[in-house]
Amino acid sequence: GQQLNQSPQSMFIQEGEDVSMNCTSSSIFNTWLWYKQEPGEGPVLLIALYKAGELTSNGRLTAQFGITRKDSFLNISASIPSDVGIYFCAGQLVRSQGNLIFGKGTKLSVKP
Amino acid sequence: EADIYQTPRYLVIGTGKKITLECSQTMGHDKMYWYQQDPGMELHLIHYSYGVNSTEKGDLSSESTVSRIRTEHFPLTLESARPSHTSQYLCASSGGEQYFGPGTRLTVT
Repeated sequence: GQQLNQSPQSMFIQEGEDVSMNCTSSSIFNTWLWYKQEPGEGPVLLIALYKAGELTSNGRLTAQFGITRKDSFLNISASIPSDVGIYFCAGQLVRSQGNLIFGKGTKLSVKP
Repeated sequence: EADIYQTPRYLVIGTGKKITLECSQTMGHDKMYWYQQDPGMELHLIHYSYGVNSTEKGDLSSESTVSRIRTEHFPLTLESARPSHTSQYLCASSGGEQYFGPGTRLTVT
């Protein structure tokens, strides 16, 4: 089946540092979504992207829809301890009926 | 904020029991989904529905079954629970973007 390659798999950073993670694929997507999941909870939608080249912010989070439509990036600026969690990218393929393909997640740990 | 609910949140049950995990949404979304996820791991789609009386199996084979008799309700049933069914089950709905419920953590002893 289709796959999304999400990296890095995990990150250990100091509070205040910036974070970058990305998802890539060999397939073309028409939607990219970024979710955050905390232990014992369901994923929460952070940012949705719909157009190639689109750059969207949500507070300290910024995500971009890659120009080739095969990748997406999420940046977190000035990380804080509550940023801890697993971040998942998800993409919707062109001509799909809406089902998403998920990356395997990036586990973020922040040291105060 | 998405209005999607799952009950129970936690369930510990013995082998061989029949269980039903409930999922409801109040957004009027046609599309609903069930995912299975082991802690800290990737999400696996096990069932989806595009509307009332429509159900399909997902990418990961599952012994569970689902039904969609009402738009807002998408329950998942296991006829005979086994320890291999121990996992977190996440329900989601979509009217464009996909929103998740809080999940049910199932433990089969």
